[in-house]
Amino acid sequence: QKEVEQNSGPLSVPEGAIASLNCTYSDRGSQSFFWYRQYSGKSPELIMSIYSNGDKEDGRFTAQLNKASQYVSLLIRDSQPSDSATYLCAVPTGGGNKLTFGTGTQLKVEL
Amino acid sequence: SAVISQKPSRDICQRGTSLTIQCQVDSQVTMMFWYRQQPGQSLTLIATANQGSEATYESGFVIDKFPISRPNLTFSTLTVSNMSPEDSSIYLCSVEDSDRGASNEQFFGPGTRLTVL
Repeated sequence: QKEVEQNSGPLSVPEGAIASLNCTYSDRGSQSFFWYRQYSGKSPELIMSIYSNGDKEDGRFTAQLNKASQYVSLLIRDSQPSDSATYLCAVPTGGGNKLTFGTGTQLKVEL
Repeated sequence: SAVISQKPSRDICQRGTSLTIQCQVDSQVTMMFWYRQQPGQSLTLIATANQGSEATYESGFVIDKFPISRPNLTFSTLTVSNMSPEDSSIYLCSVEDSDRGASNEQFFGPGTRLTVL
């Protein structure tokens, strides 16, 4: 089992819809979880961090964490074409500072 | 968050040569990391750059191939040695910005796109 798993997509949603991106992880000891957005040809940009069970909202973005199920998701409300990018889930592994990244989910928001 | 720059932004190199990539941060940071992102792939951690001591390498990466320097808390270099076409990739440095008070959050530089012919 991979340490961090994501569906590669592409996930296509119409403009204005909710995009739901999912990530599962294997290390039950993980305490922090991150979502990065990466536009084509650019470096990853941190968009959400979540540390405790439940939901965390920031503008149109909501991160949801369920530690019992080892599952973290990212919801993007009112999706815009500018949200089209690859979304990477990252989880600290090995008990230290290093992050393990999922393979990323490509999101396409269509007009 | 910290502002991170990398040089060069891109390069095309010949097989068998070496390239040194620089990473500069506008503030002192404890943790600096080097990642590789091969075409169409996710990020793979190469090593953690430790200030004043040898870097800590991940499985599959060795110091002879990827020597790293970290002379102070704002600067690091990664050298890709004896390059082959398989080293064609984007190389990214990242920092953990301890001033934000949030653990494990990493911020990335713009990356260096390397093509080896």
